[in-house]
Amino acid sequence: TQLLEQSPQFLSIQEGENLTVYCNSSSVFSSLQWYRQEPGEGPVLLVTVVTGGEVKKLKRLTFQFGDARKDSSLHITAAQPGDTGLYLCAGARAAGNKLTFGGGTRVLVKP
Amino acid sequence: DVKVTQSSRYLVKRTGEKVFLECVQDMDHENMFWYRQDPGLGLRLIYFSYDVKMKEKGDIPEGYSVSREKKERFSLILESASTNQTSMYLCASSLTRAGYTFGSGTRLTVV
Repeated sequence: TQLLEQSPQFLSIQEGENLTVYCNSSSVFSSLQWYRQEPGEGPVLLVTVVTGGEVKKLKRLTFQFGDARKDSSLHITAAQPGDTGLYLCAGARAAGNKLTFGGGTRVLVKP
Repeated sequence: DVKVTQSSRYLVKRTGEKVFLECVQDMDHENMFWYRQDPGLGLRLIYFSYDVKMKEKGDIPEGYSVSREKKERFSLILESASTNQTSMYLCASSLTRAGYTFGSGTRLTVV
């Protein structure tokens, strides 16, 4: 059983469309991180959110941490083919630095 | 930029062989991690280390061991490789309460 549930598991959209990926848990996390992984490579950190209700923007990507620090979302505006990849959320508990990863959302942006 | 280097991108080993996967990081991170990534199962933590000569079991340590003799190097050992250990292995390092930097991964096939 995944402590962090991501939805949807797969998303295929046309270039220029918007998309949202969700990361949900029944547990509280001290921080939550989002990674993007391209085929044949390791995941790359996109952002860390720490405060409940926090919103961070990274160009066309908007990340939000839920008020209760149990969930998060990633919104991409006007998606481009370069946004294609596997998006992973990962939560850290208060004690230690060990991350729990969600199952991932595979995003395909077609030109 | 922080760099995490995994010694091999691809490995093919025979059942019963002892396999060593090496990981080196160059930014003096105290924390290092080994994950395996399998379709439908996400990233699962095998072992981690918060300091030299220190190791802790993750969620799936059976069949694996680790060694951290120097701060920059964290080795994963498959004592007797089996076909169910065929997977993508990812090494990561981090500072405490910071995001992970992953290596590019080692795709291991056990035949």
